[in-house]
Amino acid sequence: SQQGEEDPQALSIQEGENATMNCSYKTSINNLQWYRQNSGRGLVHLILIRSNEREKHSGRLRVTLDTSKKSSSLLITASRAADTASYFCATWALTGNTPLVFGKGTRLSVIA
Amino acid sequence: DAGVIQSPRHEVTEMGQEVTLRCKPISGHDYLFWYRQTMMRGLELLIYFNNNVPIDDSGMPEDRFSAKMPNASFSTLKIQPSEPRDSAVYFCASSLASGRTDTQYFGPGTRLTVL
Repeated sequence: SQQGEEDPQALSIQEGENATMNCSYKTSINNLQWYRQNSGRGLVHLILIRSNEREKHSGRLRVTLDTSKKSSSLLITASRAADTASYFCATWALTGNTPLVFGKGTRLSVIA
Repeated sequence: DAGVIQSPRHEVTEMGQEVTLRCKPISGHDYLFWYRQTMMRGLELLIYFNNNVPIDDSGMPEDRFSAKMPNASFSTLKIQPSEPRDSAVYFCASSLASGRTDTQYFGPGTRLTVL
């Protein structure tokens, strides 16, 4: 399975601190995506990084990708209470029809 | 655009009853995905369509589950008969024709409770 696995499963930090979440996967990928899910809501796309990219930024988000280690990290800087949510990584396989596969997520709590 | 629309938002039914979940994808999106989310198993892909044609239904748990997409703007996921273990949140998502590898836009989900 190419399923991504996020680490840690849960993370609790103080407002203003940085939050780092990691994702590992098993097969070669076309791209890796990060999504956020607020409680009781659908997933919202945050950022996509392609296999030939190593780092990408979007506002307070920074994503890195290391294809040699089959891993990615999501950094949220200067966290806010509103960042409290579950964060999922998802991967598209490089070949075949295998669709986007999601990990089980990291639950982030930002305490004001 | 209103985004992906799902109905109903909540469904409570009794074991053995038929359940139909509905989804309207974002206009112009050619890919539609049905997911199921539970605490135990996380987010699982059930089936996805491209241009209204089912491409991969290997995630459909058993014959009690069926999905259709009669046109580009509507899809249903049906469970007949329903069982308590089907209780979950069911999400529909869509993406552009530019690639199945692109961003997916999720609906708000249908929370299904089977008693």
